[in-house]
Amino acid sequence: GENVEQHPSTLSVQEGDSAVIKCTYSDSASNYFPWYKQELGKGPQLIIDIRSNVGEKKDQRIAVTLNKTAKHFSLHITETQPEDSAVYFCAAKAGGTGRRALTFGSGTRLQVQP
Amino acid sequence: SAVISQKPSRDICQRGTSLTIQCQVDSQVTMMFWYRQQPGQSLTLIATANQGSEATYESGFVIDKFPISRPNLTFSTLTVSNMSPEDSSIYLCSADRSSYNEQFFGPGTRLTVL
Repeated sequence: GENVEQHPSTLSVQEGDSAVIKCTYSDSASNYFPWYKQELGKGPQLIIDIRSNVGEKKDQRIAVTLNKTAKHFSLHITETQPEDSAVYFCAAKAGGTGRRALTFGSGTRLQVQP
Repeated sequence: SAVISQKPSRDICQRGTSLTIQCQVDSQVTMMFWYRQQPGQSLTLIATANQGSEATYESGFVIDKFPISRPNLTFSTLTVSNMSPEDSSIYLCSADRSSYNEQFFGPGTRLTVL
């Protein structure tokens, strides 16, 4: 089955700096890669996703890149703000008639220092 | 996006009892899932709730311990049976729409077993 590895487990940055979180996956059939932000006491919130026919996607300060050949994808947050502090999870899923549930990475705790 | 609600939001239960968690989605969805998230950990899939048929359980999870119902396209329940302190966790309901792949999560049910 799919295995998703995520690094780093913790990340501390100064407000205004950039943050990068990296994930690798094992199943070449995976074609959907979402990122979730989980704040304390809340459920995971989908913040951005990318499909395997796209190499990069941006949404304001957040961007995700995908390298299908190397089987890795990354989340980039620019101009970080204290409210970006949370746990971030990457995930992977195969489409079509394959397994429909997400496989999650282990999570990255991001701390943005004011 | 889909709005997902869960009841109860939290509970404290005695060892040996059972708790049923309800999940309601604001629109019809194809797939519903139940995840467990232990403190400080990532999300682990318990089962896929299939409408009109038995749930599909992941390795390590069994129907006798985690019976699931899905009577229609917007509602599902998860029961945690014969609870022990090891069942203390956050239980998350999730749903996706097959057309777009996006998977959304409810706020979670925080369960403490004494």
